[in-house]
Amino acid sequence: EIVLTQSPGTLSLSPGERATLSCRASQSVTSTYLAWYQQKPGQAPRLLIYGASSRATGIPDRFSGSGSGTDFTLTISRLEPEDFAVYYCQHRGSSFGGGTKVEFK
Amino acid sequence: EVQLVESGGGLVQPGGSLRLSCAGSGFILSSYWMNWVRQAPGKGLEWVANIKPDGSERWYVDSVKGRFTISRDNAKSSLSLQMNNLRAEDTALYYCATDPGGYYPRFEYWGQGTPVTVSS
Repeated sequence: EIVLTQSPGTLSLSPGERATLSCRASQSVTSTYLAWYQQKPGQAPRLLIYGASSRATGIPDRFSGSGSGTDFTLTISRLEPEDFAVYYCQHRGSSFGGGTKVEFK
Repeated sequence: EVQLVESGGGLVQPGGSLRLSCAGSGFILSSYWMNWVRQAPGKGLEWVANIKPDGSERWYVDSVKGRFTISRDNAKSSLSLQMNNLRAEDTALYYCATDPGGYYPRFEYWGQGTPVTVSS
């Protein structure tokens, strides 16, 4: 079973700053199986990135994904107020990482 | 417009049973793997179970094996989760979600969730 570890647990940033979120797999995974989601309080998760680097429909280009093997990254180039949320990575349509909360500094 | 609407959640005693349903509209449910994902209060997401488009394969997280059964009715565009022998740790908001599967699996569409509370 693949275990996904996300870091940091919490990221304290200001609007306009760059956010870099990490997702590390317990063993090498196929990059096409790696997805990222955003979840805001009281809402269902929303798909951001799939295949490690492809943006889902309607996702702004300030969101980008990269990585391969065991190390994957979600980058938000310039944080907008609506981006403060919890972010999860997921492998192959099953296991999720523990999440990274992006909060206002 | 794609919609997934879960129902059937509620309060149940430990050891009891509950059946969740998910009604899909605005898309062809029979083309997708269907999933149940749960989120305990204040916690992260946990994948629970999924079922292949034709129903021929079903997979479960270890903690629910033997207690939960996922099923689907493509003709009615619906998904179900039969939950037996419920435990306090099954308390969560339960979401259904679609996955096209294949080379780029991803949960594209989600419902708003139905809450399950297991307590005496």
